[in-house]
Amino acid sequence: EIVLTQSPATLSLSPGERATLSCRASQSINTYLGWYQQKPGQAPRLLIYDASNRATGIPARFSGSGSGTDFTLTISSLEPEDFAVYFCQQRSNWPPYTFGQGTKLEIK
Amino acid sequence: EVQLVESGGGLVQPGGSLRLSCAASGFAFSTYWMSWVRQAPGKGLEWVALIKQDGSEKSYADSLKGRFTISRDNGKKSLNLELNSLRADDTAVYYCARHTNNWFDPWGQGTLVTVSS
Repeated sequence: EIVLTQSPATLSLSPGERATLSCRASQSINTYLGWYQQKPGQAPRLLIYDASNRATGIPARFSGSGSGTDFTLTISSLEPEDFAVYFCQQRSNWPPYTFGQGTKLEIK
Repeated sequence: EVQLVESGGGLVQPGGSLRLSCAASGFAFSTYWMSWVRQAPGKGLEWVALIKQDGSEKSYADSLKGRFTISRDNGKKSLNLELNSLRADDTAVYYCARHTNNWFDPWGQGTLVTVSS
């Protein structure tokens, strides 16, 4: 089973700042990595798929990069609605699909 | 509009059973793989099970040890999850999700299962 490790666990930033979230896989997953955003009381929403492709309706301030074992989600300039929990997920070697433990992006 | 609506959650005693359902609308349900994903309170996401378009292939998380059964009714546009021999650590919000290019998109709003005496 592929283990995904996200860092940091919590990221404290202010609106307008740049956010950089990391996800590391226990073995190479090519670019089969996705990112989800989850707000309190809501279901997760797909942001990025195949490491760098924005899902439908996702603003351009969200971008993804990486391949192999190291991946990054970048939010170029934080909006108030971006403060949430972010999960990465792999689909390289399934089943099972596996998720990272999440990064909480909070307002500083 | 693509929509997934889960139902069937509730409070159940340890060792009990529950059947969850997910009603799909706004898309050709029979042409998509579907999955269940769960989230324990305050915790991360755990994939539970998936099913192929025609129900001919199913797969489960190893941790479930055969206690859960996924099924679908394409005529009714419904995805189901039968939960048996429930334990306290099965307490979670259970989401159904469509596989779009093998990613979970979209998700339903979830249904809460609480296992407690």
